[in-house]
Amino acid sequence: GAVVSQHPSWVICKSGTSVKIECRSLDFQATTMFWYRQFPKQSLMLMATSNEGSKATYEQGVEKDKFLINHASLTLSTLTVTSAHPEDSSFYICSAPLDRAGGEAFFGQGTRLTVV
Amino acid sequence: SQKIEQNSEALNIQEGKTATLTCNYTNYSPAYLQWYRQDPGRGPVFLLLIRENEKEKRKERLKVTFDTTLKQSLFHITASQPADSATYLCALFTGGGNKLTFGTGTQLKVEL
Repeated sequence: GAVVSQHPSWVICKSGTSVKIECRSLDFQATTMFWYRQFPKQSLMLMATSNEGSKATYEQGVEKDKFLINHASLTLSTLTVTSAHPEDSSFYICSAPLDRAGGEAFFGQGTRLTVV
Repeated sequence: SQKIEQNSEALNIQEGKTATLTCNYTNYSPAYLQWYRQDPGRGPVFLLLIRENEKEKRKERLKVTFDTTLKQSLFHITASQPADSATYLCALFTGGGNKLTFGTGTQLKVEL
């Protein structure tokens, strides 16, 4: 099956610094990728839709200046958490759906971000 | 408001029994519904997709039903095994470009 690779799998950073998370589709092209955030014992909350070659679309309540998304190629999207604070600590997951109606989504392994 | 709700309580069952998980949604009219499995600290893994014109879908020990009148999907695991222990998520397409919205998830624990 299709593979989505996410890196790093975990990161600890100091408050006020920025962290970049990469999401790659390894064996298929993804014009669209999605970024989710998941707090402990909660479901995945969609943060934004990453569109190759154009601006990302953010969900209501998600600060686009804080969570910078870049989708520079058909196989790579990046999420940068800028000026991170402890409340940004969470599990971040990317996904890339197969490009057909109803196509299943393939998820990265997730990134555990801890801001200290 | 739009909601996708699953059994909020964890489900504990004995090995060999059938596990049944529920997904109810309001104010959506999805053409597709999907089920995913998520293990702790990992991303979800796709299990099954069912279309609005399909009543039932099977894959090995898994069975999914979809009732668009009741706005409900049931997910069954027959002959459950401890390895089936995980959180199971239902998901609907809620926008263009295959945008998925997930339910609250149900944690299943299969005991020996």
